[in-house]
Amino acid sequence: RKEVEQDPGPFNVPEGATVAFNCTYSNSASQSFFWYRQDCRKEPKLLMSVYSSGNEDGRFTAQLNRASQYISLLIRDSKLSDSATYLCVVNTNNQGGKLIFGQGTELSVKP
Amino acid sequence: DVKVTQSSRYLVKRTGEKVFLECVQDMDHENMFWYRQDPGLGLRLIYFSYDVKMKEKGDIPEGYSVSREKKERFSLILESASTNQTSMYLCASSRQVNTEAFFGQGTRLTVV
Repeated sequence: RKEVEQDPGPFNVPEGATVAFNCTYSNSASQSFFWYRQDCRKEPKLLMSVYSSGNEDGRFTAQLNRASQYISLLIRDSKLSDSATYLCVVNTNNQGGKLIFGQGTELSVKP
Repeated sequence: DVKVTQSSRYLVKRTGEKVFLECVQDMDHENMFWYRQDPGLGLRLIYFSYDVKMKEKGDIPEGYSVSREKKERFSLILESASTNQTSMYLCASSRQVNTEAFFGQGTRLTVV
């Protein structure tokens, strides 16, 4: 089983749609969680950190469920510019701070 | 702004050559990472370092070594390049454990 698993997609949605990405992780000792965005042929960039209480940044909402070892990202009112690959990232302290990436979920927002 | 700089955007090397990929960060970060990214496989960790002269193997260290002689610089070395090491290589740094990582622009390496 992979340490961090995501549905690879692609997700094809119309502008204005709401889309949700899910991610599961296998190590219950994982301490910190992030969502990154990667545009085609570019490096990954931090979208948002994920906190236990959940957090929101404009149209983006991230949730963490430690009991189910599950992370989610919700994008409301999708824009064309949201088209990218979204990467779920998990950090486990007992592995010396190793950042483990999911495979990524590809999103394509159409007019 | 954090800046992570990789020495080359594109590199073509011959099989058997020794290859050096350099990465420099300017924010005094403790941790540095080398990943490779391949279609369908995502980002896979090769090596990481949490302090000068310290290194830890990631998930796919075979065929690679690293060097961290100074805090700001983390080098990835392919001892004898092979065609299956053709990939996008990404360097990253983070301030400390549990903080987000910042990436360089990547080096697309082709081994012929």
